[in-house]
Amino acid sequence: QQPVQSPQAVILREGEDAVINCSSSKALYSVHWYRQKHGEAPVFLMILLKGGEQKGHEKISASFNEKKQQSSLYLTASQLSYSGTYFCGTGPSGAGSYQLTFGKGTKLSVIP
Amino acid sequence: DAGVIQSPRHEVTEMGQEVTLRCKPISGHDYLFWYRQTMMRGLELLIYFNNNVPIDDSGMPEDRFSAKMPNASFSTLKIQPSEPRDSAVYFCASSRLVDRWTQYFGPGTRLLVL
Repeated sequence: QQPVQSPQAVILREGEDAVINCSSSKALYSVHWYRQKHGEAPVFLMILLKGGEQKGHEKISASFNEKKQQSSLYLTASQLSYSGTYFCGTGPSGAGSYQLTFGKGTKLSVIP
Repeated sequence: DAGVIQSPRHEVTEMGQEVTLRCKPISGHDYLFWYRQTMMRGLELLIYFNNNVPIDDSGMPEDRFSAKMPNASFSTLKIQPSEPRDSAVYFCASSRLVDRWTQYFGPGTRLLVL
């Protein structure tokens, strides 16, 4: 089942912060975040494998709340280069399977 | 190192024609994934291979779609016959066993079926 992302789109000025949420109606075992710039391929940002895990990549970090079946991506002091569509992907519970199910994405636009 | 290579980058064809998309994964990668991306449905996994063997093809829409991986450095996704609703961007991605969750995507093939 496809995870649900919110918001669908957000516009920020440089330096502002944003939060992108990803939630699932099914139990989450892993959450994967990717960013796709217009006309380009998705690029891996980070993966969270355990409930409660938090990770960071420059000024982009994420948390994983297993109980609430959701993950949030935090973008701090946004830069123009952060513009793009952010996808969360959820991994399966079964061992040995590497199938990801992606949300529809959140389009982030950072303006000067 | 070269990333994932896909060809062609753009394809325009007429309904009913056969379409073959090609992918060369990153050398040494054990997994290969085929995705389709549309505005309506987002990014969907079609099929993935491990060591050239198809593992899960549950995402393949119907029998018109087929995928092969004859060796570790080449895979094809074929649509026969093609239909307008197949228009989408098709991505190929690969990953290594030791870091299997990090998928490296190719530039994609933009397919338009008229």
